[in-house]
Amino acid sequence: NAGVTQTPKFQVLKTGQSMTLQCAQDMNHEYMSWYRQDPGMGLRLIHYSVGAGITDQGEVPNGYNVSRSTTEDFPLRLLSAAPSQTSVYFCAVSPSTNYGYTFGSGTRLTVV
Amino acid sequence: EDQVTQSPEALRLQEGESSSLNCSYTVSGLRGLFWYRQDPGKGPEFLFTLYSAGEEKEKERLKATLTKKESFLHITAPKPEDSATYLCAVLLSGGYQKVTFGIGTKLQVIP
Repeated sequence: NAGVTQTPKFQVLKTGQSMTLQCAQDMNHEYMSWYRQDPGMGLRLIHYSVGAGITDQGEVPNGYNVSRSTTEDFPLRLLSAAPSQTSVYFCAVSPSTNYGYTFGSGTRLTVV
Repeated sequence: EDQVTQSPEALRLQEGESSSLNCSYTVSGLRGLFWYRQDPGKGPEFLFTLYSAGEEKEKERLKATLTKKESFLHITAPKPEDSATYLCAVLLSGGYQKVTFGIGTKLQVIP
């Protein structure tokens, strides 16, 4: 089992470009989340989903969109990339609220 | 405002030198506390969940404890492979995904 798979691992974008970060899981967990990790700051929640068809905003949702059409996939879309979105992005899954996450290996994004 | 503070920011130990990492929190309602390990260039790896004051969990050389205001991650006789950043996160009352992460403690264990 792969667990949580994120693609791509690295990406460089120009300001204003759009792209989609992919997250796929084979753990059959209902809860999926996107976090960003920046130096000197804790992981911050961008968007999350409690099941197919259900999504909600986290702490820092501006500039990002999500959708969840299947249990397995939870893509994160950057609508118009900005340098402030340079970060490492992690997808995380869990079976329920009270359980710890299983994280993907991350996508390192640089916006120039 | 809910806050999670980890100390020290960085810790350098000799192999076999036991120590503790601290995670203190000021939150409105705690449902649980998580510890993770993160290696460079990788996603965090789940270690423990603690739900109530007095609870303890152990895994190999690691033991996590919880009080009403803080949690400790005790590392007994560490080895170089224990070198990593250790993150704590608090699960708050009031709905799904109210999870606040600390910045982490970077541990280096020297042979």
